[in-house]
Amino acid sequence: QQQVKQSPQSLIVQKGGISIINCAYENTAFDYFPWYQQFPGKGPALLIAIRPDVSEKKEGRFTISFNKSAKQFSLHIMDSQPGDSATYFCAASEASGTYKYIFGTGTRLKVLA
Amino acid sequence: DSGVTQTPKHLITATGQRVTLRCSPRSGDLSVYWYQQSLDQGLQFLIQYYNGEERAKGNILERFSAQQFPDLHSELNLSSLELGDSALYFCASSVGAGGTEQYFGPGTRLTVT
Repeated sequence: QQQVKQSPQSLIVQKGGISIINCAYENTAFDYFPWYQQFPGKGPALLIAIRPDVSEKKEGRFTISFNKSAKQFSLHIMDSQPGDSATYFCAASEASGTYKYIFGTGTRLKVLA
Repeated sequence: DSGVTQTPKHLITATGQRVTLRCSPRSGDLSVYWYQQSLDQGLQFLIQYYNGEERAKGNILERFSAQQFPDLHSELNLSSLELGDSALYFCASSVGAGGTEQYFGPGTRLTVT
């Protein structure tokens, strides 16, 4: 019940295309859902995050869509660029006094020039 | 640059040995989180400290321990090392105990031979 399932494992997109990564969870106590971007040899960097009281959040080319009833959320990268090529992790945490993240397994995105 | 620093960057040691990883949080952050990233287990939460006190525990082995000092830096001690402990170890920091926005350091790559 603590798992966060992420798909696909890898994704290849043409430059200018839309990249879509999906995550699903079971624990209804989760109330914070961040996405992290990780380049090889670097630490994960916070990209965008959402709480379940909104269905969508947009920051630049990055959008999170959240479906509370389905317990799913997704990251959309619009106008994907080669510089977006990285591994993306979704995560979830619950308001239990601590915000330890449960991470998805990661999606390796490659954007072709 | 997240503002979180970790040393050393790389560490190579033999089985059975003990190592200490160090983390300095962002200025003003009181919480430090430790995560382990390995190919087979992904990103796993180990332990959280808030203002010097242990706040939450995750999948941390008994051979591992951590502490947070009065200046808020944290150390992760790994003892009786096994080959399977080879991984990237990240620390993250956040402002409060319920740190929704966690900022990750660049990591320490531990190789146990």
